[in-house]
Amino acid sequence: DQQVKQNSPSLSVQEGRISILNCDYTNSMFDYFLWYKKYPAEGPTFLISISSIKDKNEDGRFTVFLNKSAKHLSLHIVPSQPGDSAVYFCAASDLKTSYDKVIFGPGTSLSVIP
Amino acid sequence: ETGVTQSPTHLIKTRGQQVTLRCSSQSGHNTVSWYQQALGQGPQFIFQYYREEENGRGNFPPRFSGLQFPNYSSELNVNALELDDSALYLCASSLAKTTGGSPLHFGNGTRLTVT
Repeated sequence: DQQVKQNSPSLSVQEGRISILNCDYTNSMFDYFLWYKKYPAEGPTFLISISSIKDKNEDGRFTVFLNKSAKHLSLHIVPSQPGDSAVYFCAASDLKTSYDKVIFGPGTSLSVIP
Repeated sequence: ETGVTQSPTHLIKTRGQQVTLRCSSQSGHNTVSWYQQALGQGPQFIFQYYREEENGRGNFPPRFSGLQFPNYSSELNVNALELDDSALYLCASSLAKTTGGSPLHFGNGTRLTVT
């Protein structure tokens, strides 16, 4: 039972253009969402997060949008750079539980072409 | 600021053996979680430790066990290894839940191969 879904295994974008990575979730108890980036041979690195009380959070070139009614979130990267090429994981958690159980999606591999 | 460090980086074991993986938390973090990442999948939550006690567990059998030490470092032990245990094991540290939505800080993982 996959509670966090990333239906695009891979995405290719030209340098300078916008990258849009999508994520869907099924558990309505999730109230905190995160994006992680992972380079080969390294652990995932936290990128940006959003609480369910917001619908948008921006940090430099990265913006996350949350549509609670659709149980959908997306990560926008503008402009895309070759160094952004990595696997991006969407993740979700329920802050009301007594511990941090973060549920990860399967990831989307982003390639930014120079 | 010291990040999360894991050892060893790679390990090869035989089915039925036991393995211990180690993790040092990022300085200032009091909570440690372990995740298993199989090939082509996202990390899956194994368990979390806070104040040296397991305070949350995912869908993993009891042969997966752990420890957290007073300095917040941690061990993951897996007994009776199976071929399906072959994966990247990730340790992550964070501040306790009470601080609200604290992102996980991951180490680079231990690649375990069971033959």
